[in-house]
Order: sequence, then C-alpha cells, then structure tokens
Amino acid sequence: DSGVTQTPKHLITATGQRVTLRCSPRSGDLSVYWYQQSLDQGLQFLIQYYNGEERAKGNILERFSAQQFPDLHSELNLSSLELGDSALYFCASSTGSPHQETQYFGPGTRLLVL
Amino acid sequence: DAKTTQPPSMDCAEGRAANLPCNHSTISGNEYVYWYRQIHSQGPQYIIHGLKNNETNEMASLIITEDRKSSTLILPHATLRDTAVYYCIVRAAGNKLTFGGGTRVLVKP
Repeated sequence: DSGVTQTPKHLITATGQRVTLRCSPRSGDLSVYWYQQSLDQGLQFLIQYYNGEERAKGNILERFSAQQFPDLHSELNLSSLELGDSALYFCASSTGSPHQETQYFGPGTRLLVL
Repeated sequence: DAKTTQPPSMDCAEGRAANLPCNHSTISGNEYVYWYRQIHSQGPQYIIHGLKNNETNEMASLIITEDRKSSTLILPHATLRDTAVYYCIVRAAGNKLTFGGGTRVLVKP
C-alpha cells in the first residue's frame, strides 16, 4: 500500500459526459501528478500540482482539467468524453522536495467510456 | 530527461536472480536512475533509485556503471509475484516520470 488513494476504482460512462476522479496524496506530500495509461499509448504524464499550484503540464487535452485543493487532495475532471478516453488514470504523490524525491502511485481509476 | 533502452521481455526461473539491464547513454549529471514495476494493471510500484553509487534495499539492488551510461536492476531471488513490467526511468529531481515500454519479466516455476 503506497498511501495514495484514488476514487472511484471503476467508472463507466457514456460519450459526451463529464466525470471527476479524485486523488488523496500520502500524508505530508505536497506534489500530485496525474498519469493516463491507455492500451496503445502506455503511461503518459498529464499534469502536476505542487501545494495547490500547477507546476508542469504534459499531454493533457483541453477537455481535461485538474486542481489541487487546500487539503492537498486533487481532482482530475474529464469532460466531453470520447471513446478514446477509456483508460487507467493514476495519480502519484511526492514530497515535492527540490532534491531527490520519489513518486508513489495510487491504485488507479479505470474509466470506460461507452 | 534522458531516454532509456530496455529489452522488451525476459524470462527468469523462480528462486534465481533476475538481472534487468537498462541503457541510458545520454544521462546528465543531475539525473537519477529510477526503477518501477507494474503488476498487471495495478499502480506502478517504486522499487529503487540511485545517482552514482550502487544501491540496495529490501526489494532489489541497483548497479550503476561508473560512466553512468547503463544500469542493472537485480532481483536476488525472483518469485512468481515478481512477474511484472519493469520500467527504468531517468529523471532529474522534481520532473515527471517518462515511462517507456519497459521489460516484461515472466518468472517461471
């Protein structure tokens, strides 16, 4: 158990809908990362937040957005869903220290868009 | 962050050591070598990381060559539960993790 929690574990929805994925980082971690894993793309970095502020952006679609709240949990919002958005979504957390810092991953949310 | 090259797959006998190679010839001085593994569709699991020196923890050992252009992850006594995809990642502190294809390790009885 990494200490990172994600909800829900599974999500089934229809095209055009909007969903919210939630991540609670490990106690004391200030940084949260979101990754997407689809069958044909492997694990891809989406976005990083540090202490409530966006720090880095990867290949995140404009239909996707994220935020980190004062209690440090983070939410990833996916809107106007398409079939191709079906994937595993992982969040990871780290201390955010400028020196070596290890990312620990949650169990993921499996999203299926029908 | 520097790119890494890993063999796509390898088999290992249960109880034997598994040696997983990784090439990272363009690694920079401030970049660390990280190893993660992913068992089936679970979240990637951190194994070990290092900068220059060899490292060992309860899961594995990491051997980094003196020129830092390659490394080897050693699972000392592989078990069936070590069957997973192993990712070697090179990154500077604070950067995202860039996952490649990894090495699919199958531990056989």
